[in-house]
Amino acid sequence: GAVVSQHPSWVICKSGTSVKIECRSLDFQATTMFWYRQFPKQSLMLMATSNEGSKATYEQGVEKDKFLINHASLTLSTLTVTSAHPEDSSFYICSASRGASGDEQFFGPGTRLTVL
Amino acid sequence: AQKITQTQPGMFVQEKEAVTLDCTYDTSDPSYGLFWYKQPSSGEMIFLIYQGSYDQQNATEGRYSLNFQKARKSANLVISASQLGDSAMYFCAMTYGGSQGNLIFGKGTKLSVKP
Repeated sequence: GAVVSQHPSWVICKSGTSVKIECRSLDFQATTMFWYRQFPKQSLMLMATSNEGSKATYEQGVEKDKFLINHASLTLSTLTVTSAHPEDSSFYICSASRGASGDEQFFGPGTRLTVL
Repeated sequence: AQKITQTQPGMFVQEKEAVTLDCTYDTSDPSYGLFWYKQPSSGEMIFLIYQGSYDQQNATEGRYSLNFQKARKSANLVISASQLGDSAMYFCAMTYGGSQGNLIFGKGTKLSVKP
């Protein structure tokens, strides 16, 4: 149990376009979902936390108008990178938590974004 | 402020031997959780082991054990009987304040297992 999927696993897009990444909890209801970004050879940095049905909470320095997060249901959260630029190229990882008890986040397999 | 420190950018270990990956943490919250994750080259984060700040005994999961020394604020990961498939990045992470959202990661240690 506790499987999280992401789609797509990789995407290449042109500069200026928008890209949507989906994060799904397949076998549990995720009250809270998290979005991380990982640059090459670096650690994961939390971008934002989203709770189902409410606005996401963004970490300092993360532009909320550029990285749109929607957590419309208990099994789906989306991250849209708007007007992507080459510096947005990164590995984006989501995680999901049941939220009821315990501290474990279940991670998705990640999405590698390359902006040309 | 909360912080996770991993001082070993890279480690080598001979197959079948044990290896310890270091992790120290800093937090003023009495309630926190410590995690270790494995990230192979494919990128997915694989949960290995968890230690709660109030747990009396060191956590163990198969070949993984967490050497929790609260007074020293260290949470080292010990991998016994290393296998070639253990070659990966290893991240130490911490939640604090009783919140699941406050998960912060160390910079990671790249482990290479030699045959």
